[in-house]
Amino acid sequence: NAGVTQTPKFRVLKTGQSMTLLCAQDMNHEYMYWYRQDPGMGLRLIHYSVGEGTTAKGEVPDGYNVSRLKKQNFLLGLESAAPSQTSVYFCASSYLQLGAGNIQYFGAGTRLSVL
Amino acid sequence: ELKVEQNPLFLSMQEGKNYTIYCNYSTTSDRLYWYRQDPGKSLESLFVLLSNGAVKQEGRLMASLDTKARLSTLHITAAVHDLSATYFCAVTITASKLTFGTGTRLQVTL
Repeated sequence: NAGVTQTPKFRVLKTGQSMTLLCAQDMNHEYMYWYRQDPGMGLRLIHYSVGEGTTAKGEVPDGYNVSRLKKQNFLLGLESAAPSQTSVYFCASSYLQLGAGNIQYFGAGTRLSVL
Repeated sequence: ELKVEQNPLFLSMQEGKNYTIYCNYSTTSDRLYWYRQDPGKSLESLFVLLSNGAVKQEGRLMASLDTKARLSTLHITAAVHDLSATYFCAVTITASKLTFGTGTRLQVTL
């Protein structure tokens, strides 16, 4: 089982460049999420999706866009990268489980540096 | 706005000792999650606590939830080096979103 797969694992960008991070899950989960992790700040939600074709803003959405055209994929785009977007990005997926809440399953992360 | 605070942020403890990590949250919720993250790795689910008074245990870790106090604890019994990691609590007030604490980095030394 692949679970949640993130592509790429590492990337270095110059300020102003654009890129797309891809998240793919093979668990047929309805919900998908993008987080960023910065030292001393835990995980902060960027955008999320509660189903194919839907997206919603999280805590820190500025500078990012997302799309969920297929249930298994959730894309995170940076249109014009800034040094403040240097971070580790995690994708997660989940479904609501009766009696078990909303356990999220995480990908391995993408380490992004913006110079 | 939901705020989730953990303390301590960093904990260095000797093998064999006991300690407790605290997770406080600001808004009523009856669903709390604990995750573990090894250095440079992803997050793995440890416990799900779904009601007031819930207690879950696995190995040397035990988690509990007091929804009236808006407090969860993660108790470590007789720590071993393999428990060295960062531990996060997360709280939900809507079914689909989690808010994470800042994490507690645990270092177990010989």
